[in-house]
Amino acid sequence: AQTVTQSQPEMSVQEAETVTLSCTYDTSESDYYLFWYKQPPSRQMILVIRQEAYKQQNATENRFSVNFQKAAKSFSLKISDSQLGDAAMYFCAYRSAGGAQKLVFGQGTRLTINP
Amino acid sequence: GAVVSQHPSRVICKSGTSVKIECRSLDFQATTMFWYRQFPKKSLMLMATSNEGSKATYEQGVEKDKFLINHASLTLSTLTVTSAHPEDSSFYICSARTLGVDTEAFFGQGTRLTVV
Repeated sequence: AQTVTQSQPEMSVQEAETVTLSCTYDTSESDYYLFWYKQPPSRQMILVIRQEAYKQQNATENRFSVNFQKAAKSFSLKISDSQLGDAAMYFCAYRSAGGAQKLVFGQGTRLTINP
Repeated sequence: GAVVSQHPSRVICKSGTSVKIECRSLDFQATTMFWYRQFPKKSLMLMATSNEGSKATYEQGVEKDKFLINHASLTLSTLTVTSAHPEDSSFYICSARTLGVDTEAFFGQGTRLTVV
């Protein structure tokens, strides 16, 4: 079974600074997807960014980018120019390309933005 | 983007009663829906996967008779917590996706269930 590990329960960053959230995963599959989700206090899950394992290029969405290291099974999220609205729980998630395609979530990292 | 509506957002019920939570895909056909449970300050735990017209597939440790899932149409799935107990109090979240390898799963707003 696949597992996702987020080793940072909490992180904090000054507004306008850059922060990196870590995520590692374990799988024997070669084809899969990786995601970062944001869960603000409203509890609504919001997709931040996704990465297809077959793509070598790291995904980027505005201020959010990932560092995908397939061999190391690492998938970190970098948030540049942090804003107060970025404060939330961030979950890393894995999804197989086949089968039930269910999401496997990490434990989450609570990100605090200091003004 | 696609919208998934979950109702109710909050519900309080008495021990021993049943409560139904609805998950609707408003602008797409949800061939697969997922139900999660989230404890305070914890991650999402998958409870079950349901495909339209089929019986749900439950994760290990989830009681099928307590958490009844019905996915009778391509836009609606329901989770019924039967004979609820205080330990069933939690935040329940559904997500839905359409058929295809590369399709996204969209999440409902969640339901906070409190059993008193």
